[in-house]
Amino acid sequence: KAGVTQTPRYLIKTRGQQVTLSCSPISGHRSVSWYQQTPGQGLQFLFEYFSETQRNKGNFPGRFSGRQFSNSRSEMNVSTLELGDSALYLCASSPGQLTDTQYFGPGTRLTVL
Amino acid sequence: EDQVTQSPEALRLQEGESSSLNCSYTVSGLRGLFWYRQDPGKGPEFLFTLYSAGEEKEKERLKATLTKKESFLHITAPKPEDSATYLCAVQPGYSSASKIIFGSGTRLSIRP
Repeated sequence: KAGVTQTPRYLIKTRGQQVTLSCSPISGHRSVSWYQQTPGQGLQFLFEYFSETQRNKGNFPGRFSGRQFSNSRSEMNVSTLELGDSALYLCASSPGQLTDTQYFGPGTRLTVL
Repeated sequence: EDQVTQSPEALRLQEGESSSLNCSYTVSGLRGLFWYRQDPGKGPEFLFTLYSAGEEKEKERLKATLTKKESFLHITAPKPEDSATYLCAVQPGYSSASKIIFGSGTRLSIRP
């Protein structure tokens, strides 16, 4: 069974630009969660989507948004990039029940210059 | 406030030297506690899920245990390939249960 895939793997942007990251979950998984990982803050929850609906949201500004498509693929968008947005962005998928284990993708390394 | 604290931050062991990593948590109800392993530049790799106090799970040289306030990851006779960052995460038992809370991790280094 193929794992979670994320594209692109690496991205360099400048301040003020916007970026869209993509995540394809494991086949059959309906829940997709997004996380930001930085050396200082560790892994922080951004939001979770289930059946195209945002089911939960972390404490990030509105510049961070996401969506999920009918095939469970998800995209995350960050507008008006700031230097502090440089991080590893991780996507995780699970079948969808709240007790399900989450399986992570390899991440997208975003660098903001 | 829900919180997960891992200790120590870093641990260096000799190959074959057993030890334990700690994860203490405060959360309103506990739906599940997870252990992950993360190698540099990669996404976390799932190891264990624990649901209730007293539960134990094993996989090769790793054994995870759970009490009402903390979890331990015991590493028996570790090998250099066990070097990684080990992350603990908890899932609250209320409506925001999909909001997983991660600890800052323990960086484990095994010397040959």
